[in-house]
Amino acid sequence: GEDVEQSLFLSVREGDSSVINCTYTDSSSTYLYWYKQEPGAGLQLLTYIFSNMDMKQDQRLTVLLNKKDKHLSLRIADTQTGDSAIYFCAEYTNAGKSTFGDGTTLTVKP
Amino acid sequence: KAGVTQTPRYLIKTRGQQVTLSCSPISGHRSVSWYQQTPGQGLQFLFEYFSETQRNKGNFPGRFSGRQFSNSRSEMNVSTLELGDSALYLCASSSGTVESRAFFGQGTRLTVV
Repeated sequence: GEDVEQSLFLSVREGDSSVINCTYTDSSSTYLYWYKQEPGAGLQLLTYIFSNMDMKQDQRLTVLLNKKDKHLSLRIADTQTGDSAIYFCAEYTNAGKSTFGDGTTLTVKP
Repeated sequence: KAGVTQTPRYLIKTRGQQVTLSCSPISGHRSVSWYQQTPGQGLQFLFEYFSETQRNKGNFPGRFSGRQFSNSRSEMNVSTLELGDSALYLCASSSGTVESRAFFGQGTRLTVV
């Protein structure tokens, strides 16, 4: 069945790069998303990538997709304390199904 | 995996009809949030209910409404359906505290014809 896996915790120092990894199993994924959940808030879309792309860059964010290994990563350059949040990876398939990972809690230390 | 249950999984309605979707959160969770997801748009926040009260609301027309019951189960209603309402509707439950993590259901796929 479909499954999206991500590590639960990541801790980095301010100014370093953060890399959050995600693996998925459904090869019919059409879109892959990264969402951010800040304390007390709902999810906000950070970025997404079409399944026929292998990289997308958006300011400090870089998404890399390895379709062969079904591996998605989100790199945040120059991580700031305001980046501390939970980051969710999600896939959306041709069948109109969406599966979310359990989220990675990113802690940025000053 | 998280035990958020959404029913029905799939639904086909015609324009002008109304629809009610249901979400049962994880036991003990008091917050339920609803999202609309369309390809390329990602999630768009509809509203959040906490302890039977709407706590947050997104930027959707009044045709979209919801409620939450004393057992934390939530329903979302869309009246006078339009073709553009076709989407995957996701609900997420959490304990509702500042640090809480959201757990998503599998969604209800609504098609309006």
